[in-house]
Amino acid sequence: DTGVSQNPRHKITKRGQNVTFRCDPISEHNRLYWYRQTLGQGPEFLTYFQNEAQLEKSRLLSDRFSAERPKGSFSTLEIQRTEQGDSAMYLCASRRDSGNEQFFGPGTRLTVL
Amino acid sequence: AQTVTQSQPEMSVQEAETVTLSCTYDTSESDYYLFWYKQPPSRQMILVIRQEAYKQQNATENRFSVNFQKAAKSFSLKISDSQLGDAAMYFCAAQGGSEKLVFGKGTKLTVNP
Repeated sequence: DTGVSQNPRHKITKRGQNVTFRCDPISEHNRLYWYRQTLGQGPEFLTYFQNEAQLEKSRLLSDRFSAERPKGSFSTLEIQRTEQGDSAMYLCASRRDSGNEQFFGPGTRLTVL
Repeated sequence: AQTVTQSQPEMSVQEAETVTLSCTYDTSESDYYLFWYKQPPSRQMILVIRQEAYKQQNATENRFSVNFQKAAKSFSLKISDSQLGDAAMYFCAAQGGSEKLVFGKGTKLTVNP
């Protein structure tokens, strides 16, 4: 396993701009998750994909947030019209269909000025 | 809905000593899993140990073991022979009824030489 990768690792943007993050899961991991982690808190679930289907979304995922996994491989998370409250670490995780361990990537740290 | 509570924001231990991190949870699910994840500074989260709720035997992984008290909804992590590399944030998490992990706020563990 080469591990879950996320790009970029850091993103600084101005309020009102759109940003997009990418997650590449471990090869052959069909299930992919996005979480958000703010300072001093544990990660909070945002959304889940099984292959290309988005099967679960948190109420935290406002209409400014959209996630895709078009070919069932990598995923993107887009935030439109960013707000200062969106500043956080965005974590991606993946797992096989069998087993329940989610493998986490290093995260993308977003700072909204 | 599930909740996970970690009541110890910070803990410290002397190298080679034993430390126990506390976690309580609440869930209405009959089938669920519990996890401890480790998040070293500026590094990605990794799974330390997991417990299936239907198993009465406490899970162990080398120096890491859990005390799973199902009736009390308690899931503590014991680290024996603590090493400097054990210093990290430790998150307790629960999963049941859906794909998402629900995390506690974490415990920062310091290991003193």
